[in-house]
Amino acid sequence: AQTVTQSQPEMSVQEAETVTLSCTYDTSESDYYLFWYKQPPSRQMILVIRQEAYKQQNATENRFSVNFQKAAKSFSLKISDSQLGDAAMYFCAYRSARGKLIFGQGTELSVKP
Amino acid sequence: GAGVSQTPSNKVTEKGKYVELRCDPISGHTALYWYRQSLGQGPEFLIYFQGTGAADDSGLPNDRFFAVRPEGSVSTLKIQRTERGDSAVYLCASSLTGSGSDTQYFGPGTRLTVL
Repeated sequence: AQTVTQSQPEMSVQEAETVTLSCTYDTSESDYYLFWYKQPPSRQMILVIRQEAYKQQNATENRFSVNFQKAAKSFSLKISDSQLGDAAMYFCAYRSARGKLIFGQGTELSVKP
Repeated sequence: GAGVSQTPSNKVTEKGKYVELRCDPISGHTALYWYRQSLGQGPEFLIYFQGTGAADDSGLPNDRFFAVRPEGSVSTLKIQRTERGDSAVYLCASSLTGSGSDTQYFGPGTRLTVL
């Protein structure tokens, strides 16, 4: 069975600085997808960024980028130029070729002005 | 366009009662998912529909939980004989197809409290 682990329950960053959230996963599959979701206090899960396992190039979405290390089964999220609105719970998630998402335990990010 | 909607947003019930939670997916999305999120945890998968049929119900914790999607659009999660341990946020998501490459879009969830 696939598992996702986020080892940082809480992280803090100064506004305008850069922060990296860690995620590792375990799978025996070769075809899969990885995601980072953001969940603010409103509870709405919002997709931040996604990575296809077959792609070697790391995904980037504006201030958000990932460091995908397939052999190490690592998938970290880097947030550059942090903003107050980035404060939220961040979940790393794994998905097979079809079906459900498997989530990590989450990292609560606070942004200090 | 309209996103995934869930009703009610909050539901308080007493132990032993029956509850129904509703999910309206994004129009045209054939895949629909239910997840349960306990306090301080990541969402856990319950059930996945492809069209009208349950393609994967391996996450349903026991036979008190049941879900339907009779017309391939709206889905209802039904919980019988509720227990205090059922208290959680129930999230619904939909995607265009069931492919892993499709983004799952989430609703705001229903917070269920069992007294």
